[in-house]
Amino acid sequence: KAGVTQTPRYLIKTRGQQVTLSCSPISGHRSVSWYQQTPGQGLQFLFEYFSETQRNKGNFPGRFSGRQFSNSRSEMNVSTLELGDSALYLCASSPMGPTINTEAFFGQGTRLTVV
Amino acid sequence: DQQVKQNSPSLSVQEGRISILNCDYTNSMFDYFLWYKKYPAEGPTFLISISSIKDKNEDGRFTVFLNKSAKHLSLHIVPSQPGDSAVYFCAASAQRGSQGNLIFGKGTKLSVKP
Repeated sequence: KAGVTQTPRYLIKTRGQQVTLSCSPISGHRSVSWYQQTPGQGLQFLFEYFSETQRNKGNFPGRFSGRQFSNSRSEMNVSTLELGDSALYLCASSPMGPTINTEAFFGQGTRLTVV
Repeated sequence: DQQVKQNSPSLSVQEGRISILNCDYTNSMFDYFLWYKKYPAEGPTFLISISSIKDKNEDGRFTVFLNKSAKHLSLHIVPSQPGDSAVYFCAASAQRGSQGNLIFGKGTKLSVKP
């Protein structure tokens, strides 16, 4: 069974640009969550999508947005990039089926550098 | 306001000894707790979890203890091995309502010395 796939692995963008990151969850998983990891803040929750609907959102500005497609693949977009957006962006998928307690499986992340 | 706290940024342990990683939380709605292990340039890997209805869960060398009254959990690794050297993240969620997001601590870097 393939794991969570994130593309691209590395990205360098200039301040003011926008960026789109992609995540393909494990087959059969319907929930996709996005996290930002920075050295000072650890992993911070961005948002979660389930069946193409944003179900929960963390405390990030509106420049951060996402969506989920009918095949559960998800994209995350950051507009008007700032230097502070440089981070490792991680995607996690989970089944969110009948079993209420399930762990999330993470991809390897996309390392975004804003210059 | 940090809801999940790992107060030790780093921990160094000798191979073969016990590693104890601690985690405190403030939100009494949390009812599911997980530990993840992360190597550099990789995503976190699930290690072990515990539901709030239990106070202990064991999986091989890894045991997680939960003290709900103290809002504290700990991960014990016995015996520690050099391959355990990584950053360990404690995470919590309030599954009732199945919001699906995890709240992470900032991590503890474990170094196991041969």
